Amino acid sequence: NAGVTQTPKFQVLKTGQSMTLQCAQDMNHEYMSWYRQDPGMGLRLIHYSVGAGITDQGEVPNGYNVSRSTTEDFPLRLLSAAPSQTSVYFCASSRTGKNIQYFGAGTRLSVL
Amino acid sequence: QQQVKQSPQSLIVQKGGISIINCAYENTAFDYFPWYQQFPGKGPALLIAIRPDVSEKKEGRFTISFNKSAKQFSLHIMDSQPGDSATYFCAVSPKSNDYKLSFGAGTTVTVRA
Repeated sequence: NAGVTQTPKFQVLKTGQSMTLQCAQDMNHEYMSWYRQDPGMGLRLIHYSVGAGITDQGEVPNGYNVSRSTTEDFPLRLLSAAPSQTSVYFCASSRTGKNIQYFGAGTRLSVL
Repeated sequence: QQQVKQSPQSLIVQKGGISIINCAYENTAFDYFPWYQQFPGKGPALLIAIRPDVSEKKEGRFTISFNKSAKQFSLHIMDSQPGDSATYFCAVSPKSNDYKLSFGAGTTVTVRA
């Protein structure tokens, strides 16, 4: 099993560009989420999904869109990147009824 | 506004020493208190977790102490080893939604050989 796979690992964008961060899990987990990690701030929840077709906002959702068309995939879209979105992004998944969240290796994003 | 306050920001301990990291929260609706460990370039991984019905949980060299009345919990790393050098995050989540974790700011632990 690969677990939670995030692509790309690194990305540099110019202000105003759009892009999609990919996240896939092969553990058949119902719950998936996106966090951003910034120095001194810990991890902050952006969006989460409790199953295919169901998404909801977390603590810092502005500037990000998500969709969940399959159990395996949970992409995060930046519609118009801003320097404030420079961060490390982590995707996580969990099985319903279990509290353990499994994290991917992260995507380091720089917006110039 | 962070739901949980974590301290210290960083600490250095000698090999064989004890590392102690503290977290404090305000919302009494929180029902699940995990600690995650993160190595450089990796995603966080669950280390140990506790529910408020117990005051202490031990797994190997790692112990969580939980004080419900003070709304505080802490991680103790006994006999610290260089391989324990990592960033540690405490987190909280409400009973209504175990998945919505709110993380502390993190503590970078350096264990000197």
